[in-house]
Amino acid sequence: AQKVTQAQTEISVVEKEDVTLDCVYETRDTTYYLFWYKQPPSGELVFLIRRNSFDEQNEISGRYSWNFQKSTSSFNFTITASQVVDSAVYFCALTETSGSRLTFGEGTQLTVNP
Amino acid sequence: KAGVTQTPRYLIKTRGQQVTLSCSPISGHRSVSWYQQTPGQGLQFLFEYFSETQRNKGNFPGRFSGRQFSNSRSEMNVSTLELGDSALYLCASSFGDNNPPNEQFFGPGTRLTVL
Repeated sequence: AQKVTQAQTEISVVEKEDVTLDCVYETRDTTYYLFWYKQPPSGELVFLIRRNSFDEQNEISGRYSWNFQKSTSSFNFTITASQVVDSAVYFCALTETSGSRLTFGEGTQLTVNP
Repeated sequence: KAGVTQTPRYLIKTRGQQVTLSCSPISGHRSVSWYQQTPGQGLQFLFEYFSETQRNKGNFPGRFSGRQFSNSRSEMNVSTLELGDSALYLCASSFGDNNPPNEQFFGPGTRLTVL
């Protein structure tokens, strides 16, 4: 069975601080895909990134960066110079090759204070 | 390009009633998935429809059902509502390719309250 764990329930930072959201996953599949989604107060989940299990290269997109480490089954997400608009719930998710069924973590509520 | 739309946005029902939720995917997307989000259980997969066929199913009782039409629009039905069915129901659409799986685009959700 697949499982995604986001141990940080809530994080509160002050604007311009860097913040890292942790994600640890479990799967028996050798091929799988990891995702991060953002859920602002409006409720709609916004896709941020997809990474496959064969690509451990870290990725940077503007203020966002992702660190995928297969050895520790982790896919962490860092926001550099956080902004108030980054305040949201962030979800890490996992799916195997054969389907679009996403297994989500519990989510991390990020609050960025001015 | 219009995003995923869900109707209604809010719904209040009483125990024992049934409810139908609707989802219109992004144009060109053939896969529609449904998720239930509650404070206690988080985000849980209900089922996925692709080309009018249920392709994947989560661990929910038979009271939860769905269907997809030829234009890819999907409906989800919950019969004999229970208090625990109160949740945000999210619909997601994608092109439906599974190798690799496409990213799913979510709608704003339908907030169902069961009294």
